[in-house]
Amino acid sequence: DAGVTQSPTHLIKTRGQQVTLRCSPISGHKSVSWYQQVLGQGPQFIFQYYEKEERGRGNFPDRFSARQFPNYSSELNVNALLLGDSALYLCASSLQGNGPIDSYGYTFGSGTRLTVV
Amino acid sequence: QKEVEQNSGPLSVPEGAIASLNCTYSDRGSQSFFWYRQYSGKSPELIMSIYSNGDKEDGRFTAQLNKASQYVSLLIRDSQPSDSATYLCAVNVAGNAGNMLTFGGGTRLMVKP
Repeated sequence: DAGVTQSPTHLIKTRGQQVTLRCSPISGHKSVSWYQQVLGQGPQFIFQYYEKEERGRGNFPDRFSARQFPNYSSELNVNALLLGDSALYLCASSLQGNGPIDSYGYTFGSGTRLTVV
Repeated sequence: QKEVEQNSGPLSVPEGAIASLNCTYSDRGSQSFFWYRQYSGKSPELIMSIYSNGDKEDGRFTAQLNKASQYVSLLIRDSQPSDSATYLCAVNVAGNAGNMLTFGGGTRLMVKP
């Protein structure tokens, strides 16, 4: 079975540009979460979507937006890129969207490394 | 104040020794606790989950949880050079805001042959 797939794997953008990152969850998983991991730090929660609805939002500016499609894949959009947006963007899928995360935890994709120059 | 705290390390242990990684968290409503391993340039990989006070063993790994002290630890027995990685502690507080994970900054473990 395919795991969580993310595209593209690497991306270089210029300040002020916009970027769209894509994620396909594990088959059967209905929840997708997005995390930003700056070099040397732990991942920080950006968004969670479950059954196509936003279920949680982290402390990120409105330049960050996301959506989930009927097939449960998801896109993360970042507008007006800043140098500080350079990071590894991780997508994680899980079976459920509410209640404690089960013992299988999240399964992370391999990430998209975004460099803003 | 950070919600999940870890010593950044590096923690250096000789091959075959026990590596002890520690994590503290601030939210007493935390319900689920996870340890992820992350190799340089790769994504996090789940190695242990724990929900109840006490110890949980899986192969060479043992997770320990003490909710009264708000403390989670991971022991790695018979450490191998391949265990060299950053270990991330993550905590889940389930609620109406979905099921997000809050991560610590990670501890870098180095196992020397």
